Amino acid sequence: SQKIEQNSEALNIQEGKTATLTCNYTNYSPAYLQWYRQDPGRGPVFLLLIRENEKEKRKERLKVTFDTTLKQSLFHITASQPADSATYLCALRPNNAGNMLTFGGGTRLMVKP
Amino acid sequence: DAGVIQSPRHEVTEMGQEVTLRCKPISGHNSLFWYRQTMMRGLELLIYFNNNVPIDDSGMPEDRFSAKMPNASFSTLKIQPSEPRDSAVYFCASSLGGQNIQYFGAGTRLSVL
Repeated sequence: SQKIEQNSEALNIQEGKTATLTCNYTNYSPAYLQWYRQDPGRGPVFLLLIRENEKEKRKERLKVTFDTTLKQSLFHITASQPADSATYLCALRPNNAGNMLTFGGGTRLMVKP
Repeated sequence: DAGVIQSPRHEVTEMGQEVTLRCKPISGHNSLFWYRQTMMRGLELLIYFNNNVPIDDSGMPEDRFSAKMPNASFSTLKIQPSEPRDSAVYFCASSLGGQNIQYFGAGTRLSVL
């Protein structure tokens, strides 16, 4: 069966360090993968998209990698700040799946000052 | 643009009552999605529309759930009769084809007593 797995345990790091979150998937051949941020009481907000033929994407302090051989995406936040504390969700659009996205369970990030 | 607008923000009802959730997508977007989010199951796609036409409703849990999109600027998700296990946060999202970046509303927190 198709699965998207994110670490369900919260990730606690110190301010200024790099946070690395993992998204693993099985039985998908995604055309692209997206990362979203969700704050308590709010809907997810789009952060980055990376295509199957791209290895890495950057946006300010954010970096996403996509390894279709390992079936894994890594999401990095460099020089983390307490304001980065949130839940981060990865989402896949499988090939030939129209506009659907399937979301992982999310990983909660806590950045301590 | 005001973004995706959902109403109500909170709904408390008794088991057996009809519940109607409303969504106004971003103007110009041609896809609309209804999701349900719980701690146990994460963010689940219930149904999505493309150009006001339901494309995939395989995520709708049972016949008690129905969704409509009478025009490009309005959609409803109805639960009749409601049950305590329907308690969750329901999100509406919209997107404009292409990369399918989804924009989420603030959600409706539903409590069925």
